[in-house]
Amino acid sequence: LAKTTQPISMDSYEGQEVNITCSHNNIATNDYITWYQQFPSQGPRFIIQGYKTKVTNEVASLFIPADRKSSTLSLPRVSLSDTAVYYCLGGDGSSNTGKLIFGQGTTLQVKP
Amino acid sequence: EAGVTQFPSHSVIEKGQTVTLRCDPISGHDNLYWYRRVMGKEIKFLLHFVKESKQDESGMPNNRFLAERTGGTYSTLKVQPAELEDSGVYFCASSQESKGTPRGNEQFFGPGTRLTVL
Repeated sequence: LAKTTQPISMDSYEGQEVNITCSHNNIATNDYITWYQQFPSQGPRFIIQGYKTKVTNEVASLFIPADRKSSTLSLPRVSLSDTAVYYCLGGDGSSNTGKLIFGQGTTLQVKP
Repeated sequence: EAGVTQFPSHSVIEKGQTVTLRCDPISGHDNLYWYRRVMGKEIKFLLHFVKESKQDESGMPNNRFLAERTGGTYSTLKVQPAELEDSGVYFCASSQESKGTPRGNEQFFGPGTRLTVL
């Protein structure tokens, strides 16, 4: 299994860019790296997924170096509503199961 | 488009009783997953349906848990008899994409059912 390691918590201020880095030293060759966001009393919500280099969508950017041993989720100009838990997920290396493997996540607190 | 719904949102039962949780996935999603978070722990995978078939049930904790997905639509997760350690939040998720595709890990989660066993 691809164990991921990320900071337990981070603080930021409104309007700042936030970068959350995750390490996944034993990511399998066929696994994507995925990030989810979770607000209190809600289920996790998919943010972004990538395999290598850079992926950008309307919510965030994901940077993955060539060795794929880490990834960085970048949230531009955060607001108070971005306060949430952010999960970095590797995979289980299997080609036919879609189960997600959650770690403890990073609790991001955005302050005014 | 309606999202994944779960019923009930909360359930409080006594040890030894039976509880059935229901999940309605997004219409047309063949993949349905159950996860749970027990107090202070990480979200853990329970099982995965593809349509009405169990694809992976490696995360089911023991035989007190029974999941079904009749006709490949909604799913139920029954706990019988419930034990104290079963307390937690049970999430259901659905997806249409296949693993290994650019959005293959995108699953749509419901709000969860909070189960409390006294």
